[in-house]
Amino acid sequence: EADIYQTPRYLVIGTGKKITLECSQTMGHDKMYWYQQDPGMELHLIHYSYGVNSTEKGDLSSESTVSRIRTEHFPLTLESARPSHTSQYLCASSDTSGSPIEQFFGPGTRLTVL
Amino acid sequence: GENVEQHPSTLSVQEGDSAVIKCTYSDSASNYFPWYKQELGKGPQLIIDIRSNVGEKKDQRIAVTLNKTAKHFSLHITETQPEDSAVYFCAASPGGSYIPTFGRGTSLIVHP
Repeated sequence: EADIYQTPRYLVIGTGKKITLECSQTMGHDKMYWYQQDPGMELHLIHYSYGVNSTEKGDLSSESTVSRIRTEHFPLTLESARPSHTSQYLCASSDTSGSPIEQFFGPGTRLTVL
Repeated sequence: GENVEQHPSTLSVQEGDSAVIKCTYSDSASNYFPWYKQELGKGPQLIIDIRSNVGEKKDQRIAVTLNKTAKHFSLHITETQPEDSAVYFCAASPGGSYIPTFGRGTSLIVHP
């Protein structure tokens, strides 16, 4: 079944740890996105990719990095986690061939940094 | 760039009542307006969308209206049910952009 997956769903780690949040989609979408969702619900775009080997920073400044080596995979890495990184992280993808621009979201990763 | 305002931030209704969420946008080049529903513990999911060449679109109990002149669009949910309780986001996308601008979200609570 075509879908978008995120792992882990929940992560509690200590300050200073390096972490990678995984995102994979099986829909063959060319565009992928990472959003940070604060407790007030608002979605903030932190990274996006238009295709393999393409990555861009979003509107919200983030200390995280991303890579897009394969179409289906768009991991997000924090080199040294801090309490300020505590948040919900949502991955999304979209297909730009045909009708616009519906974004398909994964279930999210809730990150807590102690 | 585009700016999307969404109101109210919280909406509480009784089961069976109607609910209306309103959004305004700033960029007259925006031509695609999706609405997403986010249930607890899940990612947002598209529930309905409208393009700028259409004034209204319906899908069973939900409808969206668009006023291009005033740059505002609204989501209408009739005969609300407890399972409609969720956070709803509006968004706007200028033509040629693959990056939608989201509103801040509305938490809808439907009381049985």
